[in-house]
Amino acid sequence: AQSVTQLDSHVSVSEGTPVLLRCNYSSSYSPSLFWYVQHPNKGLQLLLKYTSAATLVKGINGFEAEFKKSETSFHLTKPSAHMSDAAEYFCVVSDGGYSTLTFGKGTMLLVSP
Amino acid sequence: DTGVSQDPRHKITKRGQNVTFRCDPISEHNRLYWYRQTLGQGPEFLTYFQNEAQLEKSRLLSDRFSAERPKGSFSTLEIQRTEQGDSAMYLCASSSPFWRANEQFFGPGTRLTVL
Repeated sequence: AQSVTQLDSHVSVSEGTPVLLRCNYSSSYSPSLFWYVQHPNKGLQLLLKYTSAATLVKGINGFEAEFKKSETSFHLTKPSAHMSDAAEYFCVVSDGGYSTLTFGKGTMLLVSP
Repeated sequence: DTGVSQDPRHKITKRGQNVTFRCDPISEHNRLYWYRQTLGQGPEFLTYFQNEAQLEKSRLLSDRFSAERPKGSFSTLEIQRTEQGDSAMYLCASSSPFWRANEQFFGPGTRLTVL
């Protein structure tokens, strides 16, 4: 069985400051891990994915995440927040192959001027 | 736009009525998934198809729910005798065997409100 825990339901940052969204996962296999972003009234968009290659994964819009197997974590970071980053972010795990995706409950990122 | 499309985008219905949603996946994708997202939660898996075969169903999919993908292209999700608890966003996604790690592409969703 696979599961995801997003440790913060809301994160507030100021524009230009770093972003850290935390995610822990549980998986019986070598997992694939994803971060998706959902802007209001928009569809889910893939930010980045980990597929057992490099443990530091770079995504779109300056986001990156590091896979740490010993800590079962896959935290999302960005050096400098932009107002347009305000959205809900989902950490997602898949047991690989073509198994289904299991989503976390989401973290709402709020960016203030 | 060649992404995943869903129709309608919004549906308001009265309790007890039947509703049907449609999803058109990316054309070369052979896998199609349905998810449900309620307020404050992440999407939850409902069912998926490989071509026209329905391969897995979640226990969330009660007997009132049925999904089809008759020709391996578009899919429909029907909810019979809707209940207020069915109010949610219904998301469709598709994926291709040529993409590793089951990367799924999502449609904009159909928001269902049951009065």
